Amino acid sequence: GESVGLHLPTLSVQEGDNSIINCAYSNSASDYFIWYKQESGKGPQFIIDIRSNMDKRQGQRVTVLLNKTVKHLSLQIAATQPGDSAVYFCAEIRSYGSSNTGKLIFGQGTTLQVKP
Amino acid sequence: EAEVAQSPRYKITEKSQAVAFWCDPISGHATLYWYRQILGQGPELLVQFQDESVVDDSQLPKDRFSAERLKGVDSTLKIQPAELGDSAMYLCASSGGDRDNEQFFGPGTRLTVL
Repeated sequence: GESVGLHLPTLSVQEGDNSIINCAYSNSASDYFIWYKQESGKGPQFIIDIRSNMDKRQGQRVTVLLNKTVKHLSLQIAATQPGDSAVYFCAEIRSYGSSNTGKLIFGQGTTLQVKP
Repeated sequence: EAEVAQSPRYKITEKSQAVAFWCDPISGHATLYWYRQILGQGPELLVQFQDESVVDDSQLPKDRFSAERLKGVDSTLKIQPAELGDSAMYLCASSGGDRDNEQFFGPGTRLTVL
């Protein structure tokens, strides 16, 4: 079946380094992608999104890259801090026909560990 | 800052018992979602409401799960009878307004079935 998945279950980085979390998706019809951060005991928190007509979008310390040719999504976190330690999920939106809302399909998640 | 509220935060029950979870979305959000998240995995959509109407319940095990949003505001998810495999985090999310694709999640209810 079609799904959104992540390449690595765990990523360990040194505080201050840049982090890159990768995700591969299989549904070429998806037109909207989101990265979520989930801290222990909490619900997922929106980080950044990107539409399929873009290949890069920047936020505060985060950048999302989209490569539609190989169906690959990545999240780059600059100057990683201890507070960035969490599980990161990529998710895709599959629209319900002409509806503005769609079904959010989550990947498996990557645990980011930041070493002081 | 407005948040999605859920209760209870934790629930322990024995199999074959009934459980219910409550969600209060962000005020004004027309769309409400219930997700189930098994430990180590991403959330999976169980049911989506637009106001009081169900948009998608294709992944809801309807023999034991039910969800309602009678007045189009808060919502209740019920499991009867609970089974061991239902142990998971149950997340509620809501969306609305100009950024209807951005879903705001509540803290979840952690269910343990013994």
